[in-house]
Amino acid sequence: AAGVIQSPRHLIKEKRETATLKCYPIPRHDTVYWYQQGPGQDPQFLISFYEKMQSDKGSIPDRFSAQQFSDYHSELNMSSLELGDSALYFCASSRYGEQYFGPGTRLTVT
Amino acid sequence: AQKITQTQPGMFVQEKEAVTLDCTYDTSDQSYGLFWYKQPSSGEMIFLIYQGSYDEQNATEGRYSLNFQKARKSANLVISASQLGDSAMYFCAMISTKIQGAQKLVFGQGTRLTINP
Repeated sequence: AAGVIQSPRHLIKEKRETATLKCYPIPRHDTVYWYQQGPGQDPQFLISFYEKMQSDKGSIPDRFSAQQFSDYHSELNMSSLELGDSALYFCASSRYGEQYFGPGTRLTVT
Repeated sequence: AQKITQTQPGMFVQEKEAVTLDCTYDTSDQSYGLFWYKQPSSGEMIFLIYQGSYDEQNATEGRYSLNFQKARKSANLVISASQLGDSAMYFCAMISTKIQGAQKLVFGQGTRLTINP
């Protein structure tokens, strides 16, 4: 069965650079979520989209923005990167409630 | 606000034994869902099992079962006949289902399970 696809899987950036993370949900899933998991932490909700509209917002810094496109894929844009942004970023998709996670993008900021 | 508490930071179990991972939750919602996810050292988040607050039967998926005790607000994961491949971090999470549309997951701190041969 098709799963959630995230790209890139690994990303290394320097401080103050920008990064774009991409997420392709499971076909026919209309909802996308972004989570951030710091080292040794549980995942923290960042933002979600339902039918291409922003649905909920969590602890997402103003330096981050996201959108969901007409084909339901989503992109998380991160600017002015800081060392503390180093984390595993998950995208999850759902249609009827159960959230299926992608493999994550491991972002390292140096 | 919703809160998930996992009180076992780490657990060590012998292979083939059953193991129970504890999870308690707090919510004022009447309609909610409870999830368990497995996160191996490779990092991916694997969905294991789901229990809705109105489900009368405990959820089961293969070797996984969820011991749902609504009055005690607990949703423990039971893994029967543990295997070496079960070694991983396990997260309990919940979601409010009272509103349609995107509902964020709230996670517990996780329990690191180690299966010994």
